[in-house]
Amino acid sequence: EVQLVESGGGLVKPGGSLRLSCAGSGFTFTNAWMSWVRQAPGKGLEWVGRIKSKSDGGTTDYAAPVKDRFTISRDDSENTVFLQMNSLKTEDTAVYYCATETRAGWPDYWGQGTLVAVSS
Amino acid sequence: QVVLTQSPSASASLGASVKLTCTLSSGHSSYVIAWLQQRPEMGPRHLMRLNSDGSHNKGDGIPDRFSGSSSGAERYLTISSLQSEDEADYYCQTWGPGIRVIFGGGTKLTVL
Repeated sequence: EVQLVESGGGLVKPGGSLRLSCAGSGFTFTNAWMSWVRQAPGKGLEWVGRIKSKSDGGTTDYAAPVKDRFTISRDDSENTVFLQMNSLKTEDTAVYYCATETRAGWPDYWGQGTLVAVSS
Repeated sequence: QVVLTQSPSASASLGASVKLTCTLSSGHSSYVIAWLQQRPEMGPRHLMRLNSDGSHNKGDGIPDRFSGSSSGAERYLTISSLQSEDEADYYCQTWGPGIRVIFGGGTKLTVL
Protein backbone atom coordinates (compact mmCIF):
# COMPACT_ATOMS: atom_id res chain seq x y z
CA GLU A 1 0.00 0.00 0.00
CA VAL A 2 1.36 3.41 -0.98
CA GLN A 3 1.75 5.73 1.99
CA LEU A 4 2.93 9.34 2.06
CA VAL A 5 3.37 11.11 5.39
CA GLU A 6 4.09 14.84 5.50
CA SER A 7 5.58 16.57 8.52
CA GLY A 8 7.20 19.83 9.52
CA GLY A 9 4.29 22.22 9.33
CA GLY A 10 3.66 24.91 11.90
CA LEU A 11 3.34 28.60 12.63
CA VAL A 12 6.00 30.90 11.21
CA LYS A 13 6.34 34.68 10.94
CA PRO A 14 6.35 36.47 7.58
CA GLY A 15 9.85 36.39 6.13
CA GLY A 16 10.67 33.21 7.99
CA SER A 17 11.59 29.74 6.77
CA LEU A 18 10.23 26.24 7.20
CA ARG A 19 11.22 22.82 5.89
CA LEU A 20 8.59 20.21 5.17
CA SER A 21 9.29 16.51 4.77
CA CYS A 22 7.34 13.76 3.06
CA ALA A 23 8.22 10.13 3.74
CA GLY A 24 7.06 7.57 1.20
CA SER A 25 6.57 3.81 1.40
CA GLY A 26 4.89 1.05 -0.56
CA PHE A 27 6.37 2.03 -3.91
CA THR A 28 9.76 2.35 -5.59
CA PHE A 29 10.68 5.81 -4.35
CA THR A 30 13.80 6.16 -6.49
CA ASN A 31 11.71 5.93 -9.67
CA ALA A 32 9.04 8.37 -8.55
CA TRP A 33 8.54 11.97 -9.52
CA MET A 34 7.30 13.77 -6.42
CA SER A 35 5.09 16.83 -6.34
CA TRP A 36 4.03 19.32 -3.68
CA VAL A 37 0.52 20.78 -3.86
CA ARG A 38 -1.01 23.28 -1.46
CA GLN A 39 -4.49 24.31 -0.46
CA ALA A 40 -5.18 27.63 1.21
CA PRO A 41 -8.00 27.63 3.79
CA GLY A 42 -11.34 27.24 2.00
CA LYS A 43 -9.69 27.34 -1.42
CA GLY A 44 -8.83 24.89 -4.20
CA LEU A 45 -5.68 22.97 -5.02
CA GLU A 46 -2.56 24.77 -6.26
CA TRP A 47 0.48 22.98 -7.60
CA VAL A 48 3.71 24.15 -5.97
CA GLY A 49 6.37 22.16 -7.77
CA ARG A 50 8.02 18.80 -8.30
CA ILE A 51 11.27 16.92 -8.39
CA LYS A 52 11.90 14.29 -11.01
CA SER A 53 13.56 10.97 -10.33
CA LYS A 54 17.34 10.91 -10.51
CA SER A 55 17.11 8.63 -13.54
CA ASP A 56 15.12 11.42 -15.26
CA GLY A 57 17.68 14.02 -14.25
CA GLY A 58 16.47 14.88 -10.74
CA THR A 59 15.51 18.35 -11.93
CA THR A 60 12.88 20.55 -10.36
CA ASP A 61 9.98 22.64 -11.67
CA TYR A 62 8.16 25.33 -9.70
CA ALA A 63 4.98 27.36 -9.96
CA ALA A 64 5.53 31.07 -10.51
CA PRO A 65 4.34 32.23 -7.04
CA VAL A 66 7.02 30.19 -5.25
CA LYS A 67 9.88 30.18 -7.73
CA ASP A 68 13.10 31.50 -6.19
CA ARG A 69 11.68 31.15 -2.65
CA PHE A 70 10.94 27.42 -2.41
CA THR A 71 13.33 24.54 -3.09
CA ILE A 72 12.43 20.87 -3.49
CA SER A 73 15.01 18.17 -2.83
CA ARG A 74 15.02 14.45 -2.22
CA ASP A 75 16.93 11.82 -0.27
CA ASP A 76 16.32 8.49 -1.96
CA SER A 77 18.22 6.63 0.77
CA GLU A 78 15.53 7.79 3.21
CA ASN A 79 12.60 7.68 0.74
CA THR A 80 11.94 11.30 1.61
CA VAL A 81 11.25 14.48 -0.33
CA PHE A 82 11.66 17.93 1.16
CA LEU A 83 10.19 21.36 0.59
CA GLN A 84 12.37 24.20 1.84
CA MET A 85 10.30 27.36 2.09
CA ASN A 86 12.07 30.70 2.53
CA SER A 87 10.86 34.31 2.61
CA LEU A 88 7.42 33.10 3.59
CA LYS A 89 4.42 35.33 3.00
CA THR A 90 0.98 35.32 4.60
CA GLU A 91 -0.42 34.05 1.29
CA ASP A 92 1.67 30.89 1.65
CA THR A 93 -0.64 29.82 4.47
CA ALA A 94 -2.06 26.47 3.37
CA VAL A 95 -2.15 22.75 3.90
CA TYR A 96 0.76 21.30 1.94
CA TYR A 97 0.39 17.87 0.35
CA CYS A 98 2.99 15.71 -1.28
CA ALA A 99 1.98 13.39 -4.09
CA THR A 100 3.59 10.82 -6.32
CA GLU A 101 3.54 11.17 -10.07
CA THR A 102 3.61 7.56 -11.17
CA ARG A 103 3.10 8.95 -14.66
CA ALA A 104 4.57 12.37 -15.31
CA GLY A 105 2.05 15.16 -14.84
CA TRP A 106 -0.48 13.03 -12.99
CA PRO A 107 -0.37 13.24 -9.17
CA ASP A 108 -1.94 9.97 -8.11
CA TYR A 109 -1.10 9.02 -4.52
CA TRP A 110 -1.41 11.77 -1.93
CA GLY A 111 -0.50 12.28 1.69
CA GLN A 112 -2.77 13.68 4.40
CA GLY A 113 -1.11 17.09 4.38
CA THR A 114 0.63 19.35 6.87
CA LEU A 115 -0.55 22.83 7.80
CA VAL A 116 1.69 25.85 7.37
CA ALA A 117 0.46 29.10 8.91
CA VAL A 118 2.33 32.32 8.15
CA SER A 119 1.30 35.06 10.53
CA SER A 120 2.83 37.74 12.73
CA GLN B 1 -2.21 28.15 -21.20
CA VAL B 2 -4.99 25.65 -20.64
CA VAL B 3 -7.70 26.57 -18.12
CA LEU B 4 -10.12 24.13 -16.50
CA THR B 5 -13.57 25.42 -15.51
CA GLN B 6 -15.88 23.70 -13.03
CA SER B 7 -19.19 24.70 -11.50
CA PRO B 8 -18.66 25.58 -7.82
CA SER B 9 -21.41 23.33 -6.52
CA ALA B 10 -23.72 20.45 -7.34
CA SER B 11 -26.24 18.40 -5.41
CA ALA B 12 -28.12 15.15 -5.85
CA SER B 13 -30.13 12.78 -3.71
CA LEU B 14 -28.91 9.66 -1.99
CA GLY B 15 -29.12 6.74 -4.41
CA ALA B 16 -29.42 8.97 -7.48
CA SER B 17 -26.81 9.79 -10.13
CA VAL B 18 -24.93 13.02 -10.71
CA LYS B 19 -22.81 14.23 -13.61
CA LEU B 20 -20.06 16.76 -12.92
CA THR B 21 -18.48 18.79 -15.72
CA CYS B 22 -14.99 20.08 -16.37
CA THR B 23 -14.59 22.37 -19.39
CA LEU B 24 -11.28 22.82 -21.18
CA SER B 25 -10.46 26.27 -22.51
CA SER B 26 -10.60 27.06 -26.20
CA GLY B 27 -8.00 25.27 -28.28
CA HIS B 28 -7.40 22.56 -25.71
CA SER B 29 -10.27 20.17 -26.40
CA SER B 30 -7.94 17.20 -27.01
CA TYR B 31 -6.39 17.32 -23.54
CA VAL B 32 -6.43 14.38 -21.16
CA ILE B 33 -7.63 15.26 -17.67
CA ALA B 34 -7.77 13.52 -14.31
CA TRP B 35 -10.58 13.57 -11.76
CA LEU B 36 -9.76 13.75 -8.06
CA GLN B 37 -11.99 13.45 -4.99
CA GLN B 38 -11.30 15.26 -1.74
CA ARG B 39 -13.45 14.31 1.23
CA PRO B 40 -13.65 16.77 4.13
CA GLU B 41 -10.41 17.09 6.09
CA MET B 42 -8.63 14.56 3.88
CA GLY B 43 -6.00 14.55 1.16
CA PRO B 44 -7.14 14.24 -2.45
CA ARG B 45 -7.66 10.85 -4.05
CA HIS B 46 -7.05 10.16 -7.72
CA LEU B 47 -10.19 8.72 -9.34
CA MET B 48 -9.31 8.36 -13.01
CA ARG B 49 -7.55 9.72 -16.03
CA LEU B 50 -9.98 10.60 -18.81
CA ASN B 51 -9.13 10.84 -22.50
CA SER B 52 -10.80 12.99 -25.13
CA ASP B 53 -12.49 9.93 -26.62
CA GLY B 54 -14.08 9.09 -23.25
CA SER B 55 -11.85 6.15 -22.45
CA HIS B 56 -10.58 6.24 -18.90
CA ASN B 57 -8.17 4.53 -16.50
CA LYS B 58 -9.39 4.34 -12.93
CA GLY B 59 -7.18 4.52 -9.89
CA ASP B 60 -6.71 1.71 -7.40
CA GLY B 61 -9.90 0.60 -5.69
CA ILE B 62 -12.21 3.11 -7.36
CA PRO B 63 -15.74 1.66 -7.45
CA ASP B 64 -17.61 0.97 -10.68
CA ARG B 65 -20.10 3.67 -9.61
CA PHE B 66 -17.58 6.22 -10.84
CA SER B 67 -17.28 6.65 -14.61
CA GLY B 68 -16.00 9.22 -17.04
CA SER B 69 -17.02 10.45 -20.47
CA SER B 70 -16.07 13.23 -22.88
CA SER B 71 -17.71 15.44 -25.49
CA GLY B 72 -15.65 18.05 -27.28
CA ALA B 73 -14.05 20.27 -24.66
CA GLU B 74 -16.19 18.85 -21.86
CA ARG B 75 -15.07 16.11 -19.51
CA TYR B 76 -17.60 14.45 -17.27
CA LEU B 77 -17.53 12.49 -14.05
CA THR B 78 -20.69 10.49 -13.40
CA ILE B 79 -21.33 9.03 -9.98
CA SER B 80 -24.22 6.58 -9.80
CA SER B 81 -26.02 5.15 -6.76
CA LEU B 82 -24.84 8.11 -4.69
CA GLN B 83 -23.74 7.35 -1.16
CA SER B 84 -23.21 9.74 1.73
CA GLU B 85 -19.45 9.13 1.51
CA ASP B 86 -19.48 10.65 -2.00
CA GLU B 87 -20.10 14.08 -0.49
CA ALA B 88 -16.81 15.75 -1.29
CA ASP B 89 -15.02 18.27 -3.47
CA TYR B 90 -14.19 17.06 -6.96
CA TYR B 91 -11.32 18.54 -8.96
CA CYS B 92 -10.26 18.07 -12.52
CA GLN B 93 -6.58 18.33 -13.37
CA THR B 94 -4.30 18.43 -16.38
CA TRP B 95 -0.89 19.84 -17.17
CA GLY B 96 0.52 22.53 -19.39
CA PRO B 97 3.94 23.59 -20.72
CA GLY B 98 6.79 22.13 -18.75
CA ILE B 99 4.39 19.52 -17.38
CA ARG B 100 3.19 22.12 -14.90
CA VAL B 101 0.14 20.71 -13.15
CA ILE B 102 -3.10 22.67 -13.45
CA PHE B 103 -6.26 22.22 -11.39
CA GLY B 104 -9.82 23.30 -11.97
CA GLY B 105 -11.50 25.31 -9.25
CA GLY B 106 -13.37 22.28 -7.90
CA THR B 107 -17.03 21.33 -7.49
CA LYS B 108 -18.52 20.82 -4.04
CA LEU B 109 -20.96 17.91 -4.22
CA THR B 110 -23.72 17.73 -1.64
CA VAL B 111 -25.61 14.47 -1.21
CA LEU B 112 -29.17 15.25 -0.09
